Amino acid sequence: QLQLQESGSGLVKPSQTLSLTCAVSGGSISSGGYSWSWIRQPPGKGLEWIGYIYHSGSTYYNPSLKSRVTISVDRSKNQFSLKLSSVTAADTAVYYCARVLGDYPDYWGQGTLVTVSS
Amino acid sequence: QSVLTQPPSVSGAPGQRVTISCTGSSSNIGAGYDVHWYQQLPGTAPKLLIYGNSNRPSGVPDRFSGSKSGTSASLAITGLQAEDEADYYCQSYDSSLSGWRVFGGGTKLTVL
Repeated sequence: QLQLQESGSGLVKPSQTLSLTCAVSGGSISSGGYSWSWIRQPPGKGLEWIGYIYHSGSTYYNPSLKSRVTISVDRSKNQFSLKLSSVTAADTAVYYCARVLGDYPDYWGQGTLVTVSS
Repeated sequence: QSVLTQPPSVSGAPGQRVTISCTGSSSNIGAGYDVHWYQQLPGTAPKLLIYGNSNRPSGVPDRFSGSKSGTSASLAITGLQAEDEADYYCQSYDSSLSGWRVFGGGTKLTVL
């Protein structure tokens, strides 16, 4: 059974960079046919797709966040990561990592809350 | 403000049938892009409920069904159960501006 687990800092200061990692177990991140995504959900609000990466390293980002987002993959550790720079309070959210088949996530991590506050 | 519009809330009594709409436009659902649906129980991650407009992943009860027509899609739940109380989200692709995968705003289902 595929499992994804997010980890990283739960508290980030404004203007700093948010960094999260998603560890994948029960399957290989190098498996063809999938991409690996980050999706977020502000408290009490809806879902926003941040970006995704293929095992080849090709990345695709939400146009509204593109200038601040970097997603990378570490095949040796079977994990992928998110960096979001110049954060503000509006970036406070639960961040989910997910495996994507085609254009829909079929496996999700449990999510991790990141709060932006001084 | 999402380009996919869902009603904020719907409700129904146990055993009843409810539908949740997802209204888009010619740049997303109307352009032929698939619609997918997710169920989010309180305090948990979303779970894939319907993919490719009307397909159920293994393990999803056949009480859940999806359909798509024109610029809209719908999720139907029959034989409503208390455990169905959750938030439901539709998702598709929008080709306007730079193009991106988008979610609807979500619908809170209350089982009376």
